[in-house]
Amino acid sequence: NAGVTQTPKFQVLKTGQSMTLQCAQDMNHEYMSWYRQDPGMGLRLIHYSVGAGITDQGEVPNGYNVSRSTTEDFPLRLLSAAPSQTSVYFCASSGGGLAYGYTFGSGTRLTVV
Amino acid sequence: QQQVKQSPQSLIVQKGGISIINCAYENTAFDYFPWYQQFPGKGPALLIAIRPDVSEKKEGRFTISFNKSAKQFSLHIMDSQPGDSATYFCAASMPNSGYSTLTFGKGTMLLVSP
Repeated sequence: NAGVTQTPKFQVLKTGQSMTLQCAQDMNHEYMSWYRQDPGMGLRLIHYSVGAGITDQGEVPNGYNVSRSTTEDFPLRLLSAAPSQTSVYFCASSGGGLAYGYTFGSGTRLTVV
Repeated sequence: QQQVKQSPQSLIVQKGGISIINCAYENTAFDYFPWYQQFPGKGPALLIAIRPDVSEKKEGRFTISFNKSAKQFSLHIMDSQPGDSATYFCAASMPNSGYSTLTFGKGTMLLVSP
């Protein structure tokens, strides 16, 4: 099925470990973004990309890195995990020049202990 | 600074009733106001959206009302059903380098009782 695929679905990390959350879309969307969702906080933008080779910071970028080498993939890297990064992470993509019709993945639930 | 304020945090409505969720924004540069619906364990999905040049948009049982002068917009769910039980997010977008990023409200957890 076409859409946004996130892996893994669940992950437990120890403080200080690094990992990469994967995001892939097969809709040829130019625009991709990462959000984190915390109880009572809504969805907050971490990083976004407007095309291959172009990325920018969102509202809460600290502790996260991204790169966009292809149109399809937009991985999110945690360099040194901290308990404050325990959250549900969503990747989203959009084909338009505006934020119309974002398609979200099913999320990655990350726990940092 | 929270740019989109959403209320209430949670809402319980009886089956067949009207669910109303309100949002207010501060930045007049916002030009697109979508609502997303999220079921447990799933990602948010676009439900309905409105531009500031119209005051109301209706799709089935879902209606957005928009008040540009008050910088407020709301979602009305008519004849609410148990299957509507979900978390609802309002959002707003503004131009940024040719693309718009979405700013979300904090969400409203709706429970429709049978």
